[in-house]
Amino acid sequence: AQSVTQPDIHITVSEGASLELRCNYSYGATPYLFWYVQSPGQGLQLLLKYFSGDTLVQGIKGFEAEFKRSQSSFNLRKPSVHWSDAAEYFCAVGRNNAGNMLTFGGGTRLMVKP
Amino acid sequence: GAVVSQHPSWVICKSGTSVKIECRSLDFQATTMFWYRQFPKQSLMLMATSNEGSKATYEQGVEKDKFLINHASLTLSTLTVTSAHPEDSSFYICSAEKGGGSYEQYFGPGTRLTVT
Repeated sequence: AQSVTQPDIHITVSEGASLELRCNYSYGATPYLFWYVQSPGQGLQLLLKYFSGDTLVQGIKGFEAEFKRSQSSFNLRKPSVHWSDAAEYFCAVGRNNAGNMLTFGGGTRLMVKP
Repeated sequence: GAVVSQHPSWVICKSGTSVKIECRSLDFQATTMFWYRQFPKQSLMLMATSNEGSKATYEQGVEKDKFLINHASLTLSTLTVTSAHPEDSSFYICSAEKGGGSYEQYFGPGTRLTVT
């Protein structure tokens, strides 16, 4: 069975600084990979996804992620963080024959210092 | 577009009673809907998958007789927690998929259930 690990439970960055949230997965084939953001009172919102092709994917709100098969990683990055980015971020992997059946990582809570 | 609502947003019920949570896709038809459970400060755990007009598929370890799922139409799915107990207290989240192979799910804001 696939699994997803987000090693950092909490991350604090200063506004304007760059950000990288780590995600490692355990999966045999090329996985369906997703990053979601969860803000209080709102549903999870899809930031970006990777199924195949270019390993650097661009998402909404200035986020990008890079799929590295050799490292089994799909890290999320943003060059300059805004205070409004403070939220919980989840990495997820879809199952082999059902990319919509998601296994989520434990989440990383991002705090932004002014 | 692609808005999913849940009702109620929070509910408190007494142990032994049943609670129904509704999930609606407001501006699209959902071929598949999903129900998740999220414990405090933890991740989402997929409970079940439902397609309109067919029985839900439950994940291993999820009691289908306790968590009844009905997917009556392409825009509505309901989760009924039967004979609720305090350990059922949790945050329940639904999502809906448009279909077409995008595998993009649109999530509702969640329902906080507290069983006293």
